[in-house]
Amino acid sequence: SQQGEEDPQALSIQEGENATMNCSYKTSINNLQWYRQNSGRGLVHLILIRSNEREKHSGRLRVTLDTSKKSSSLLITASRAADTASYFCATIGAAGNKLTFGGGTRVLVKP
Amino acid sequence: EAGVAQSPRYKIIEKRQSVAFWCNPISGHATLYWYQQILGQGPKLLIQFQNNGVVDDSQLPKDRFSAERLKGVDSTLKIQPAKLEDSAVYLCASSVGSSYNSPLHFGNGTRLTVT
Repeated sequence: SQQGEEDPQALSIQEGENATMNCSYKTSINNLQWYRQNSGRGLVHLILIRSNEREKHSGRLRVTLDTSKKSSSLLITASRAADTASYFCATIGAAGNKLTFGGGTRVLVKP
Repeated sequence: EAGVAQSPRYKIIEKRQSVAFWCNPISGHATLYWYQQILGQGPKLLIQFQNNGVVDDSQLPKDRFSAERLKGVDSTLKIQPAKLEDSAVYLCASSVGSSYNSPLHFGNGTRLTVT
């Protein structure tokens, strides 16, 4: 079963706009990770945020984590056509060692 | 550094045939993973190795799937016999430590079509 559920399932924006996607999960976690997958390629790690952290930044990416709501968000600022991809959240359970992926958000950035 | 290498890139077989996939992880990465990704879904973990020992294979359909990681480096995943529902992309990933604290590095996957 999938731990994380992304919302929305699909997102279409214009180049230069911000893109926000959310991830909700069901059980306590040790950390939460975001990955990007371009069409026909493998996943690429973006950010890892630990359960005791609330926010992390990496370039144009900002991730927040709210453990009380069991949710995380990924913000891509000033989007580019090259950001067109599927974005997945993945969680490590507090008691386990298995990285479980959600179903992903498909982002289309139109030039 | 060289990335995770997988082969073949594509494979088409008929149901009930067998197929094998190969993965060469990043040098020095102790942990190796095989994920199955059905079209439109997120990856699902099939098996996780720590060096050459199995850490988790709870979602591996053991009646038809098998995997090995000889000498703690390369790995092969086999399906025998294949079913139509095995059509998916099979992703191999590796990490320095466990996924507990280190990100996964993925290969580009093998796209399997079972007809």
